[in-house]
Amino acid sequence: GQQVMQIPQYQHVQEGEDFTTYCNSSTTLSNIQWYKQRPGGHPVFLIQLVKSGEVKKQKRLTFQFGEAKKNSSLHITATQTTDVGTYFCAGRGSEKLVFGKGMKLTVNP
Amino acid sequence: DGGITQSPKYLFRKEGQNVTLSCEQNLNHDAMYWYRQDPGQGLRLIYYSQIVNDFQKGDIAEGYSVSREKKESFPLTVTSAQKNPTAFYLCASSNPLGAYEQYFGPGTRLTVT
Repeated sequence: GQQVMQIPQYQHVQEGEDFTTYCNSSTTLSNIQWYKQRPGGHPVFLIQLVKSGEVKKQKRLTFQFGEAKKNSSLHITATQTTDVGTYFCAGRGSEKLVFGKGMKLTVNP
Repeated sequence: DGGITQSPKYLFRKEGQNVTLSCEQNLNHDAMYWYRQDPGQGLRLIYYSQIVNDFQKGDIAEGYSVSREKKESFPLTVTSAQKNPTAFYLCASSNPLGAYEQYFGPGTRLTVT
């Protein structure tokens, strides 16, 4: 079945640093979504990418959908302590949305 | 105020007891989902429903049961057959299935001893 893998699983950065996290699917996706879960909270939708090569920005967050629609990336610029949490990507193949295991981000102030 | 409610936030049960987790939405969404979250495991799909009176098994349905008698409600029963029931359970809804974002409830943390 369809699998979605996120790398790395954990990321620890110094406040102010940039970093990128990746999401890879075993199959071609019709869309990919990103969610953020703050510690003790529930996942909250961030963005959806649909087109091949699509790039979307939300303030310091940049999301990209790969040309082959099998991978995606999230780049955070100048990381802040408010960015702490677990970021999930979720890819939709033929029907269901399949979530990755998440990337847990911690920030050293 | 639209959204998804789950109750209770914390639930404690003795081993061998069935327990039902509540999930209600007033977003008028057709699709509803139940996920289980364990540390380092991400979100694993238990059951989902695309329409009233219909539901499908997800990836880890064994030991769980659901019903969808009303559009706004999708309760999950954790049965005594579930070998490791202690977990964080999240309910979500969307409209339609998979195409748009999922809205999650605040979750229920179940502890079985």
